[in-house]
Amino acid sequence: DAGITQSPRHKVTETGTPVTLRCHQTENHRYMYWYRQDPGHGLRLIHYSYGVKDTDKGEVSDGYSVSRSKTEDFLLTLESATSSQTSVYFCAISGGGFDNEAFFGQGTRLTVV
Amino acid sequence: SQQGEEDPQALSIQEGENATMNCSYKTSINNLQWYRQNSGRGLVHLILIRSNEREKHSGRLRVTLDTSKKSSSLLITASRAADTASYFCATVPDTGRRALTFGSGTRLQVQP
Repeated sequence: DAGITQSPRHKVTETGTPVTLRCHQTENHRYMYWYRQDPGHGLRLIHYSYGVKDTDKGEVSDGYSVSRSKTEDFLLTLESATSSQTSVYFCAISGGGFDNEAFFGQGTRLTVV
Repeated sequence: SQQGEEDPQALSIQEGENATMNCSYKTSINNLQWYRQNSGRGLVHLILIRSNEREKHSGRLRVTLDTSKKSSSLLITASRAADTASYFCATVPDTGRRALTFGSGTRLQVQP
């Protein structure tokens, strides 16, 4: 398995609180991605990073921010959690070449109550 | 809206039968990839086809790509109960940064 770890694996939080999810890789891959997965929507890209301090928005970035201060860590922050952000969040990594496959973490199940 | 849409959303077949899943996408791509997801797990890469390729094989998997129709299909031959999973197509654009964008997926159930 590719060296990619998400933490926490499960979290329950209250509406309005900030939440940070962490993705850690040991593969030295250039690209890191955050997706959310909801029934009927497949995986939707939230934000991605193409290098340290280099990030870009995906299709569902509102309400989320990211940071990448070192190659191995990519943080996803929900600035003020809402019930609509209840979801399963996946981190993925890839080498960044056009032909590079993506490797996925095991996911974080987040519930906002 | 999502780049890729899969069809059908769900598919149920008997062991030994072939399973075909289709994917349509919207923008010009460099390549298209297929992934598999077992229930409650992360996605696993299956196969990649480049935009200048029309067909690719890997074991019991056959992928086709029609860039003029912006569509791809994944065929799993001689299916097994262990093939039960969700299958997703994902595209990499041919310009700009390599943001991998996924479709909505097909849930495949293979009955023993």
